[in-house]
Amino acid sequence: AAGVIQSPRHLIKEKRETATLKCYPIPRHDTVYWYQQGPGQDPQFLISFYEKMQSDKGSIPDRFSAQQFSDYHSELNMSSLELGDSALYFCASSYGGNSYNEQFFGPGTRLTVL
Amino acid sequence: ELKVEQNPLFLSMQEGKNYTIYCNYSTTSDRLYWYRQDPGKSLESLFVLLSNGAVKQEGRLMASLDTKARLSTLHITAAVHDLSATYFCAVGGAGGTSYGKLTFGQGTILTVHP
Repeated sequence: AAGVIQSPRHLIKEKRETATLKCYPIPRHDTVYWYQQGPGQDPQFLISFYEKMQSDKGSIPDRFSAQQFSDYHSELNMSSLELGDSALYFCASSYGGNSYNEQFFGPGTRLTVL
Repeated sequence: ELKVEQNPLFLSMQEGKNYTIYCNYSTTSDRLYWYRQDPGKSLESLFVLLSNGAVKQEGRLMASLDTKARLSTLHITAAVHDLSATYFCAVGGAGGTSYGKLTFGQGTILTVHP
């Protein structure tokens, strides 16, 4: 079965650079969630989109922005990167916009900021 | 604000033994999920619990949900080395715009040794 695809899988950036993470949800899924997991931490919700509209916002820094496109893929844009942004970034997708419907997680993008 | 607490955070088990991981949450929710994560990997869905009294079993793992007590348990029976991983519980939002996002517990690092 098709799964959530994230690219790139690994990304190394310098401080103050920008990064773009991409997420391709499972076909027919209309909802995308972004989570950030620091080393040894639990995943923290960043932002979600349902039918291409932002549906909820968590602890996402103002330096980050995201959107969902007409084909339902989503991009997380991160600017002025800081050392503390180094983390695993997961995208999850589901159908229907609420958590009664199981979220399926992608493999993650490991971002390292030097 | 929804808070999710797991205990224990670290669990060292002998093969063949039984143990239970507890997940408490602070506000009303009837959606609880258990995930497994291997080091550096994605989150693998184990159980989806959507109603009070729900009990699900898969192999040596059994999960239950008591929404009145705001408590879920993950019971491990006759542990084997392959179960070594980090286990997270996650709770769905209570409603409104937070309906979809998941709030995770801190995770329980399980190590099974001979």
